[in-house]
Amino acid sequence: AQKVTQAQTEISVVEKEDVTLDCVYETRDTTYYLFWYKQPPSGELVFLIRRNSFDEQNEISGRYSWNFQKSTSSFNFTITASQVVDSAVYFCALGGGTSYGKLTFGQGTILTVHP
Amino acid sequence: DAMVIQNPRYQVTQFGKPVTLSCSQTLNHNVMYWYQQKSSQAPKLLFHYYDKDFNNEADTPDNFQSRRPNTSFCFLDIRSPGLGDAAMYLCATSRGRGTGRPYNEQFFGPGTRLTVL
Repeated sequence: AQKVTQAQTEISVVEKEDVTLDCVYETRDTTYYLFWYKQPPSGELVFLIRRNSFDEQNEISGRYSWNFQKSTSSFNFTITASQVVDSAVYFCALGGGTSYGKLTFGQGTILTVHP
Repeated sequence: DAMVIQNPRYQVTQFGKPVTLSCSQTLNHNVMYWYQQKSSQAPKLLFHYYDKDFNNEADTPDNFQSRRPNTSFCFLDIRSPGLGDAAMYLCATSRGRGTGRPYNEQFFGPGTRLTVL
């Protein structure tokens, strides 16, 4: 069975602080994909990144960066110099090993960035 | 822009009164999903269509049904909504295997928030 655990239920920071959202996953699949989605108050899930199990390179996109550590089954997400617009619920998700894209979501981390 | 559209954005129904939620996509994706998301919880997959093949999750109540008349449209029917069915319903799409592109990146619609009175 697949499982995703996001350790932080809620995080509160002040604007311009860096913040890291943790994600730990469990799977028996040898090929799998990891995702981060952002859900702002409007409700839509916005895709941020996909990483496959063969690619452990870290990735940076603007103020966002992701650290994939296969040895510890973790896929952490860092926002540098946070902004109020980053306030949202962030979901880590795991997929793979099936003929379609079924995702297993973590419980989500509520990030609040105060001005 | 290619996208996933859900209508209506907000739906109010009465206890036991059937309701249908709509999803359409312009991405021409093979797979369409319906998720239920209750407050402060992760999205929960109800079922999906891979082309015309319907796949129900084992724990999806019989009260929930789905139809996919063509590639672009998919409907979620709740036959007798209960108070516990009040939630956000998210539709998503993804490409199928063999398309030569990542197949399980899901694109989500804005959701329909269902209220049951």
